[in-house]
Amino acid sequence: DSGVTQTPKHLITATGQRVTLRCSPRSGDLSVYWYQQSLDQGLQFLIQYYNGEERAKGNILERFSAQQFPDLHSELNLSSLELGDSALYFCASSETGRGNQPQHFGDGTRLSIL
Amino acid sequence: AQSVTQLDSHVSVSEGTPVLLRCNYSSSYSPSLFWYVQHPNKGLQLLLKYTSAATLVKGINGFEAEFKKSETSFHLTKPSAHMSDAAEYFCVVSGPYNDMRFGAGTRLTVKP
Repeated sequence: DSGVTQTPKHLITATGQRVTLRCSPRSGDLSVYWYQQSLDQGLQFLIQYYNGEERAKGNILERFSAQQFPDLHSELNLSSLELGDSALYFCASSETGRGNQPQHFGDGTRLSIL
Repeated sequence: AQSVTQLDSHVSVSEGTPVLLRCNYSSSYSPSLFWYVQHPNKGLQLLLKYTSAATLVKGINGFEAEFKKSETSFHLTKPSAHMSDAAEYFCVVSGPYNDMRFGAGTRLTVKP
């Protein structure tokens, strides 16, 4: 058990809809990361937060947004969903976000767009 | 900028034989390197990390990796494969701000 909790585990919705994915980091970790994993794109970094502030952005679409709250949990919001957004979304956390620290991953949220 | 290349998309071994998963990296910085394993429908689990200390890094479940700067490689090995090792393995390079870049993954199959 990594200590990172993601909810829900599965989400099925339709095109054009909006969903929110939730992540609780490991106790004591200040940095949260979001990743998208799909068969054709592999594992893609989306965005990183550190102690409530956005620190780095990767391949995140404008339809997607995220935030980290004062209690350090994070939410990833996906809107105007398209079929291609179907993927496994992972949250990871690390202690301070420095490069030599490993990230600890949750089990992911599987998003299916019908 | 940094990147990793996993040289094999699929490796198949027999149970009890050695495992070698190959990874080359490119980094503008002194890199931090990691190997993660992903079992089906699970998140990624850290196997081991290299952060400029010993070049031979020991990880969990009998895995180890050797950092070779001259070859820009960080190959993952295990002396004897077990059926439970069957999974997807990712080599990862990280810059100073933990901006990780993942390889495409190597699927390890272990035959009985």
